[in-house]
Amino acid sequence: GAVVSQHPSWVICKSGTSVKIECRSLDFQATTMFWYRQFPKQSLMLMATSNEGSKATYEQGVEKDKFLINHASLTLSTLTVTSAHPEDSSFYICSARDWPISYEQYFGPGTRLTVT
Amino acid sequence: KNEVEQSPQNLTAQEGEFITINCSYSVGISALHWLQQHPGGGIVSLFMLSSGKKKHGRLIATINIQEKHSSLHITASHPRDSAVYICASNTGNQFYFGTGTSLTVIP
Repeated sequence: GAVVSQHPSWVICKSGTSVKIECRSLDFQATTMFWYRQFPKQSLMLMATSNEGSKATYEQGVEKDKFLINHASLTLSTLTVTSAHPEDSSFYICSARDWPISYEQYFGPGTRLTVT
Repeated sequence: KNEVEQSPQNLTAQEGEFITINCSYSVGISALHWLQQHPGGGIVSLFMLSSGKKKHGRLIATINIQEKHSSLHITASHPRDSAVYICASNTGNQFYFGTGTSLTVIP
């Protein structure tokens, strides 16, 4: 089946620094990618939807200048957390689909970010 | 907005038991997804349904479009099935997630 990878799987950074998380589709074209964050014992919260070559669409309450999303190719999207703060510590998950060809959605393994 | 509700929130079962997790949603959808999240956090897509029933190994998912209801069944449950199971409604690029059902299967 289709595979989505994320890198890194975990990262610890100091407050005020920026962190980049990569999401790659390994064997299919990801025309649409989604970025989620998940706090402990809570469900997934959609942060933004990105279509290849277009600007990302952010959900209400998500700061687009803080969470920079780039989807420059059909296999790669990146999420950059700028000027990270401890409250940004969370589990970040990406998913990808070849929309509108397919409704199937494939999830990455997630990245655990800890900001100290 | 599509309200997605799951029940039960928590479920403990003995190994070998038949398990059912329910999901209801409030607005018509294009597809319903069942996801599995293990304690490490990674998410696996189990099923995507738009009608009827799908089976994969010991897992069965059904959906009733008229009643806006879906169920996930696990036959002959095993401790390795212990995970959080999440349903998500999907129309276009809109997803609404349930809060998840935490399943623990005891040997």
